[in-house]
Amino acid sequence: QKEVEQNSGPLSVPEGAIASLNCTYSDRGSQSFFWYRQYSGKSPELIMFIYSNGDKEDGRFTAQLNKASQYVSLLIRDSQPSDSATYLCAVNKSGGSNYKLTFGKGTLLTVNP
Amino acid sequence: DTEVTQTPKHLVMGMTNKKSLKCEQHMGHRAMYWYKQKAKKPPELMFVYSYEKLSINESVPSRFSPECPNSSLLNLHLHALQPEDSALYLCASSQELSMADVEAFFGQGTRLTVV
Repeated sequence: QKEVEQNSGPLSVPEGAIASLNCTYSDRGSQSFFWYRQYSGKSPELIMFIYSNGDKEDGRFTAQLNKASQYVSLLIRDSQPSDSATYLCAVNKSGGSNYKLTFGKGTLLTVNP
Repeated sequence: DTEVTQTPKHLVMGMTNKKSLKCEQHMGHRAMYWYKQKAKKPPELMFVYSYEKLSINESVPSRFSPECPNSSLLNLHLHALQPEDSALYLCASSQELSMADVEAFFGQGTRLTVV
């Protein structure tokens, strides 16, 4: 079982719709969860992070965490063509006293005008 | 300022060359990272420095040699690379390595091509 799993997509949504991106992780000791956006040929850009069960909202973005189900998601409301990118789920887990960020393979999102 | 600066942006090198990638941050972060990313793949961790000491080496071949001269700088020295080492090399930093709830910020990367 992969440590962090995401549907690779592509996920295609029309402009103005809600895009839902999902991620599961295998290590129950994982503490923090991050969503990065990466445009083609560019570096990852932090969108949101969450470490408590429940929802966390920031503008058009909502991160949802369910540690019992080992599931984290990102909702993008009112999707815009500029949201088209690969979204990487990353999990921070402890290796002794050090925390290490492990990435999923990413989901390619396309928002159609 | 959440900026991590990497130089050069692009690098083409031969298999017998020696080159270095540089990374700089002025956010007071004490953890700095090197990641390697191949096309359409996620970033893969290579090295982590915490308080200028190497904390994690993910079994990276010795042709990659990291160096942390001070708390703001991180270098990656390259020697005798192979064409399969061509990738986007990303530097990142975070406040602390021993805290789970800290964000890592990435530089713009160095696109490396080995010929």
